[in-house]
Amino acid sequence: QKEVEQNSGPLSVPEGAIASLNCTYSDRGSQSFFWYRQYSGKSPELIMSIYSNGDKEDGRFTAQLNKASQYVSLLIRDSQPSDSATYLCAPITGANSKLTFGKGITLSVRP
Amino acid sequence: DVKVTQSSRYLVKRTGEKVFLECVQDMDHENMFWYRQDPGLGLRLIYFSYDVKMKEKGDIPEGYSVSREKKERFSLILESASTNQTSMYLCASSLRDRGFAFFGQGTRLTVV
Repeated sequence: QKEVEQNSGPLSVPEGAIASLNCTYSDRGSQSFFWYRQYSGKSPELIMSIYSNGDKEDGRFTAQLNKASQYVSLLIRDSQPSDSATYLCAPITGANSKLTFGKGITLSVRP
Repeated sequence: DVKVTQSSRYLVKRTGEKVFLECVQDMDHENMFWYRQDPGLGLRLIYFSYDVKMKEKGDIPEGYSVSREKKERFSLILESASTNQTSMYLCASSLRDRGFAFFGQGTRLTVV
């Protein structure tokens, strides 16, 4: 089983809609989780971090974590064309904080 | 401002050459990472280092080695480059107790 699984894409939503991006992970010991955004031809950049069960909101972004189900998600409200990018889920594993990424899901927001 | 700098943006090497990719961070981070990114395969961890001279294998270490002699510098070495190592290589660094990483600009390596 791969360490990090992201649901298959690509995902296409109309402008103004809610985009829902999902991720499951295999290491029950993972304590910290990150969402990165990567525009085409650019390096990944951190957009959200979440460390405890529940929801964490930052502007139009909400990260959700359920450690019992080993599930983390990212919701983007009022999606904009500028949100079109690949979104990568990344849990921290191990005593030395190894950072492993899912394959990513490509989001396209239609004007 | 946070900075992770990779020595080359584009690199073309011949099959069989020894290749060095260098990465430097100025944030005093304990952890440094090397990933490669290929279409459809996402970001795959090659190696990471959690301290000077300390390293841990990632998912795809075969054909690669690393060196970390100083805290700020992490080198990826391709002992004998092959065409299947043509890829985008990304370096990142992080504080161990915070976890989230900052990335360099990437090195597009082509092996011919």
